[in-house]
Amino acid sequence: QQQVKQSPQSLIVQKGGISIINCAYENTAFDYFPWYQQFPGKGPALLIAIRPDVSEKKEGRFTISFNKSAKQFSLHIMDSQPGDSATYFCAAGMDTGRRALTFGSGTRLQVQP
Amino acid sequence: GAGVSQSPSNKVTEKGKDVELRCDPISGHTALYWYRQSLGQGLEFLIYFQGNSAPDKSGLPSDRFSAERTGGSVSTLTIQRTQQEDSAVYLCASSLSHSQMAFFGQGTRLTVV
Repeated sequence: QQQVKQSPQSLIVQKGGISIINCAYENTAFDYFPWYQQFPGKGPALLIAIRPDVSEKKEGRFTISFNKSAKQFSLHIMDSQPGDSATYFCAAGMDTGRRALTFGSGTRLQVQP
Repeated sequence: GAGVSQSPSNKVTEKGKDVELRCDPISGHTALYWYRQSLGQGLEFLIYFQGNSAPDKSGLPSDRFSAERTGGSVSTLTIQRTQQEDSAVYLCASSLSHSQMAFFGQGTRLTVV
């Protein structure tokens, strides 16, 4: 119930392409869905987040798509750049009950120049 | 401070020894979280502090793990009688009281030899 399943485990994209990472959850009590970006040797950094009352949120080249009925959400990185090469984690949280985020297993993205 | 500060950044210890990891949250953040990240894995929740409330210890893997938070600010994670499977990066995060936006430190890489 607390799991968040993330795919793919790794992804190689050409510069300028679209990177897509998918996550699925089971617990309908989750009401906050952030994405974190992590570079080697660094802590995760919040990239973008969405709540279930909207189906899409866009910030620059990064877009979250959210499908409440399917209990799925995804991160799209448009015009991917080599500097986007990092590990991306989806997560899910709730405002009541257990406050800690539940994280997916991560996707290692490599953008080739 | 400007961000979440963790120390030490690296720690090598012998099996059976005790270790203490320190986290300095962002000033004004009343919520503090500890996570563990094993090599190539996602983030595993350990413990959550919120103000003066009793901490959520539901993620601690064994009674060798404990944490405290003094004065609502600095937190220390203690691992007693360390085992090789405790080797991981220990991440601390903090957030405002009613916000799910968690900001992470760079982590402490613990190696048990």
